[in-house]
Amino acid sequence: EPEVTQTPSHQVTQMGQEVILRCVPISNHLYFYWYRQILGQKVEFLVSFYNNEISEKSEIFDDQFSVERPDGSNFTLKIRSTKLEDSAMYFCASSETLEQYFGPGTRLTVT
Amino acid sequence: LAKTTQPISMDSYEGQEVNITCSHNNIATNDYITWYQQFPSQGPRFIIQGYKTKVTNEVASLFIPADRKSSTLSLPRVSLSDTAVYYCLVGVSIKAAGNKLTFGGGTRVLVKP
Repeated sequence: EPEVTQTPSHQVTQMGQEVILRCVPISNHLYFYWYRQILGQKVEFLVSFYNNEISEKSEIFDDQFSVERPDGSNFTLKIRSTKLEDSAMYFCASSETLEQYFGPGTRLTVT
Repeated sequence: LAKTTQPISMDSYEGQEVNITCSHNNIATNDYITWYQQFPSQGPRFIIQGYKTKVTNEVASLFIPADRKSSTLSLPRVSLSDTAVYYCLVGVSIKAAGNKLTFGGGTRVLVKP
């Protein structure tokens, strides 16, 4: 069964550093998403992406965040200057319909 | 977006049926009800979606009464591996692609031996 993959599984970074989280969505999917989940809290929507542009973003997705589909297979989330409060699990998802397929997540730890 | 209310947690035993009820009093006419499952340290996974009456698949059943103000996810004969958080989401149809999912707190189901 096709699946969404994410790398790395765990990233540790220092406050103020830039991080790039990578995702490979399911190949025939056209809609891509990033969500995050702070430990013990809800899964929160960050951004959705379609046709090479952002279709919707949440209040969390401020100027420190950006997304890119650099080639036909990868989908990345960049955080320019990480803060302690960015520590969370980051999930990439992709969909053909509303049924979204989530990746295993990247655990980001900002120290 | 319709607000959903579901129990914070439920305990069960292996082999039992687990029923999780979700309240969504202000559900809109074109809203569907969708359930996702999340295992620890994993991303959510789609379980089932329905609009009215009953929907069944290989994993679960979804019961929706005529007024659609609530719905019940039924997991038959649970095993230890069904221990997870179960989320009820109310919104547009599975056919409407590209829309964000809005997760609530979910119901933490613990299956005991």
